[in-house]
Amino acid sequence: DAGVTQSPTHLIKTRGQQVTLRCSPKSGHDTVSWYQQALGQGPQFIFQYYEEEERQRGNFPDRFSGHQFPNYSSELNVNALLLGDSALYLCASSLLPGNHGYTFGSGTRLTVV
Amino acid sequence: GENVEQHPSTLSVQEGDSAVIKCTYSDSASNYFPWYKQELGKRPQLIIDIRSNVGEKKDQRIAVTLNKTAKHFSLHITETQPEDSAVYFCAASNNQGGKLIFGQGTELSVKP
Repeated sequence: DAGVTQSPTHLIKTRGQQVTLRCSPKSGHDTVSWYQQALGQGPQFIFQYYEEEERQRGNFPDRFSGHQFPNYSSELNVNALLLGDSALYLCASSLLPGNHGYTFGSGTRLTVV
Repeated sequence: GENVEQHPSTLSVQEGDSAVIKCTYSDSASNYFPWYKQELGKRPQLIIDIRSNVGEKKDQRIAVTLNKTAKHFSLHITETQPEDSAVYFCAASNNQGGKLIFGQGTELSVKP
C-alpha cells in the first residue's frame, strides 16, 4: 500500500529563485494539505487542496501557491525564495476535507542559500 | 488567533519511568486532538488521538486525557523504552476543513 510520496527529498536553491515541490497522496485519498516545518518547530499549515481547488489557507504570503491535479497529486510552488523559507515541507493526505485521518509524507528538505 | 502551547520542550526520563507531555489550546471550537511522534529525519506518525466527546483514551502504554473546560490535553507514556525517544507533537483541529494547529514539540529522551 503506497503511502504519501514526496519529491524531491532534498533541494538547495538560491535566494530569489522559484521552487516546485511535488506530492502524491496515499491511494484512496483525495485531499492534500501542505505544512512547513522549520527546524525545531512544529509543522505550520500552508493550505489544503480538494477537488483541484484551494479550500483552506494558513497565514502564508501569496508567494506560496499550489495546485492539485485530477489524479489528486499536488504541487507546492514558492516564488522569490527567502532565506527564511528554508524548512522541511510536509505533505499530508486524507479522504475528504475535515476527515482527520491524515497520512504524512517524509517531506522535502528545502535549503535556501 | 489559533494557538497550541506544548510543555515541556525537552524531557529526559529513565527507562521504565512514565513521561507526561501537556498541551493547551486556544480555539474553543477545537474538537480533535492528535499526537504525533517524529523520529529524526522521518515523517510525523500518528500515535493516538482523542475527540472532544471523550475524556480519556488508552492504547497499551499510551494514554491521552482531555479537559475541555480548561482547554488542555495531555499525553501519558508508561513504562518508557529507549525506542520511545523522539520528538512528540500535539495538535488541535476543528470541523472547518481539518487544518491541524501543532504545538512546538517535546524532545523525549529515554535513558537505558
